Amino acid sequence: NAGVMQNPRHLVRRRGQEARLRCSPMKGHSHVYWYRQLPEEGLKFMVYLQKENIIDESGMPKERFSAEFPKEGPSILRIQQVVRGDSAAYFCASSPRTSGSSKNIQYFGAGTRLSVL
Amino acid sequence: AQKITQTQPGMFVQEKEAVTLDCTYDTSDPSYGLFWYKQPSSGEMIFLIYQGSYDQQNATEGRYSLNFQKARKSANLVISASQLGDSAMYFCAMVILTGGGNKLTFGTGTQLKVEL
Repeated sequence: NAGVMQNPRHLVRRRGQEARLRCSPMKGHSHVYWYRQLPEEGLKFMVYLQKENIIDESGMPKERFSAEFPKEGPSILRIQQVVRGDSAAYFCASSPRTSGSSKNIQYFGAGTRLSVL
Repeated sequence: AQKITQTQPGMFVQEKEAVTLDCTYDTSDPSYGLFWYKQPSSGEMIFLIYQGSYDQQNATEGRYSLNFQKARKSANLVISASQLGDSAMYFCAMVILTGGGNKLTFGTGTQLKVEL
């Protein structure tokens, strides 16, 4: 079952360190999305990428956060100089096609739980 | 801007009974899709069912059905014959299909507990 793969599942960082979260989309999917879930809340959109392009980053904090989806390899969500408020579950989703198509289902990975000490 | 409202923070249902989880949405765009996802205690997000705004019939997927009432802007999830494994957090979400965006807007979720 080649679903959306995220690693690591759990990541512990000290304040000021960098966190790198990886996401490999489902086979045949070229659209990747990152969402953040704070405790007791729903998921909040962060960024939408296609291969080598950021399409929509309207949900990304302006500082310290960046995302990429290179031609080869997984998508990376990078958080520099982490703070306690970055502690959350980060989910990646992928879909096979772009907006405008009906039933453009986003399939999610199991998430990365980031804890900042 | 679009919004999803789930007014039931927690629900209980007895095994084998049906349960309805409420979801209302708000958007001025005529073309949109509505989703339900399940998040068990293990944390992953599992896609359950999808309804497009132009779909003529209510979506069904096995024991899941979506009661889509466009005029009321509601998209309630009905789970029939509840099982213990249905205990989880359930999220309603929406995507706007026009304009090139793909971001899902989620509600705050409903925690469902299935009891013997």
